[in-house]
Amino acid sequence: DIVLTQTPLSSPVALGQPASISCRSSQSLVYSDGNTYLSWLQQRPGQPPRLLIYETSKRFSGVPDRFSGSGTGTDFTLRISRVEGEDVGVYYCAHATQFPRTFGQGTKVEIK
Amino acid sequence: QVQLVQSGTEVKKPGTSVRISCKTSGYNFISYHVHWVRQASGQGLEWVGKITPQDGSTIFAQKFQGRVTMSRDTSTNTVYFELNSLRSDDTAVYYCVRDRYGPDYWGQGTLVTVS
Repeated sequence: DIVLTQTPLSSPVALGQPASISCRSSQSLVYSDGNTYLSWLQQRPGQPPRLLIYETSKRFSGVPDRFSGSGTGTDFTLRISRVEGEDVGVYYCAHATQFPRTFGQGTKVEIK
Repeated sequence: QVQLVQSGTEVKKPGTSVRISCKTSGYNFISYHVHWVRQASGQGLEWVGKITPQDGSTIFAQKFQGRVTMSRDTSTNTVYFELNSLRSDDTAVYYCVRDRYGPDYWGQGTLVTVS
């Protein structure tokens, strides 16, 4: 199974400041079609997860442009350019390259 | 708009079974896989398995094989999830999730308590 390791596990950030979360995969997430199926999810307290980024860097519908994703192969990053209060929650990376699907452990973003 | 609406909270005794429904709308039902993901209180996300609505084929995580069943009803665009031989560590919120290249739409979650 693919293991996704996120760092940090907790990220206190001041409002308006940037935040960055890393996701490292135990094996390449490049699929046979050449695409890399790494997604980022946001889970606000008491809510289901919500898709932010898919295929490494594509922003999902309605996601603010302060969220961006990057990376290749086994190393991926989610960046929030300027953290807002509504960004508080837990962020997960997830792959869709093979079965079983797996998720990172989650990174808690909170306001400092 | 795309919606996945799940059935309500369940409280079950150990050793029994639970069945959860996930009614979908707003998209072509047979064009997207539906996955099930669970989350114990305060914990991370755990993938349970997926069903392909077009043909009903399924893939499950190894730890659930033999205990889980997924089915679909194409006349009502509904997916069903059943977990048998429930244990206390099955207590979690269970989500149905539409997926093609990533988990794009999530149901509201169904809390299953085994006690």
